[in-house]
Amino acid sequence: DAKTTQPNSMESNEEEPVHLPCNHSTISGTDYIHWYRQLPSQGPEYVIHGLTSNVNNRMASLAIAEDRKSSTLILHRATLRDAAVYYCIHFQGAQKLVFGQGTRLTINP
Amino acid sequence: EPEVTQTPSHQVTQMGQEVILRCVPISNHLYFYWYRQILGQKVEFLVSFYNNEISEKSEIFDDQFSVERPDGSNFTLKIRSTKLEDSAMYFCASIEHLPNSPLHFGNGTRLTVT
Repeated sequence: DAKTTQPNSMESNEEEPVHLPCNHSTISGTDYIHWYRQLPSQGPEYVIHGLTSNVNNRMASLAIAEDRKSSTLILHRATLRDAAVYYCIHFQGAQKLVFGQGTRLTINP
Repeated sequence: EPEVTQTPSHQVTQMGQEVILRCVPISNHLYFYWYRQILGQKVEFLVSFYNNEISEKSEIFDDQFSVERPDGSNFTLKIRSTKLEDSAMYFCASIEHLPNSPLHFGNGTRLTVT
């Protein structure tokens, strides 16, 4: 019942920017878009979240389309440590975040 | 930085036995969650808990599962009679307030049912 669509996998090179897309066409007007990532053998880790405006933090930037039906997570300079599965999700119902399959990001040295 | 802690990191049990997985959420957080991840599969929502009661649960969370916040700090997941298919990583998570807060996850408990 995940309601976001992401590519299954993407590949990039170390020290290059990475743009991870996500479609969330059924998102409601008050739902925040969350991005998490899961490194191998670890629990999910928060990356960033936003509502309407573009957001920046020390890990990444989040660009949200004006109609809010899609967003893009931007890693400005990928490192090998950024290799992970990235999940774009939003709350469904009042309180649950449902994970989809995510995008498996491979970083080449 | 405060974090969600889970114990044990690995639990091995025999089929039919009861297990209790323990979590200490971040202290000022109000909403608590359990997720599980079977090896090689996606992270699955089990249950959310707020104000000392279950607020949402998935179809996975049947009568064999229960959650409790026995004191002001711990949050537990009990599986009454484990099955082989309960083998998975179980993640606890907490969030300060909805909807504009990030969900913080623990590092998980690997449950192996033999």
